[in-house]
Amino acid sequence: GDSVTQMEGPVTLSEEAFLTINCTYTATGYPSLFWYVQYPGEGLQLLLKATKADDKGSNKGFEATYRKETTSFHLEKGSVQVSDSAVYFCALTYQAGTALIFGKGTTLSVSS
Amino acid sequence: DTAVSQTPKYLVTQMGNDKSIKCEQNLGHDTMYWYKQDSKKFLKIMFSYNNKELIINETVPNRFSPKSPDKAHLNLHINSLELGDSAVYFCASSLQRGEQFFGPGTRLTVL
Repeated sequence: GDSVTQMEGPVTLSEEAFLTINCTYTATGYPSLFWYVQYPGEGLQLLLKATKADDKGSNKGFEATYRKETTSFHLEKGSVQVSDSAVYFCALTYQAGTALIFGKGTTLSVSS
Repeated sequence: DTAVSQTPKYLVTQMGNDKSIKCEQNLGHDTMYWYKQDSKKFLKIMFSYNNKELIINETVPNRFSPKSPDKAHLNLHINSLELGDSAVYFCASSLQRGEQFFGPGTRLTVL
């Protein structure tokens, strides 16, 4: 079945460091891909998305490109801030009304 | 002007009790979901309703029963609570292709 694999955390970085969180997926069709972020004690917020191959999603300095050839959707940010400390989830789905399939989440901790 | 709201935010109860969690969305979406997040933060779909009709029902014990009185509400009732039901339960809603909006979560603790 379909699945999402994320790099194991936690990821610990200093402020202004470069961030990459790897995400690969297994899918039978052509899903939409998402990154959600969960700040401590809060619900999930959509960070960015891409709906087809070669699309780049971007938001708040974060970027991810839908790579069909490598079945990947890696999250990157050029310079992280302390406020970026959170759990990041990669996810896929096919169409409205179908469930999101999540990776296991990657905890990011940024220190000043 | 909260988009997806859940009540209560925290729920502490004894084993064997019956409890309900309520969810409301004011986004005009026609599809709503319940997800369970376990202690390792893994998220898994439980149920999905589209226009008040059940469309996803994952392998969830019969003790869990969702109810959707209208498109804007999806409640979750749990009978005979067990220790393993302790988790954070998230409600979500969507309209466009796969973009789901999540509520703040309900942390359920079963003692």
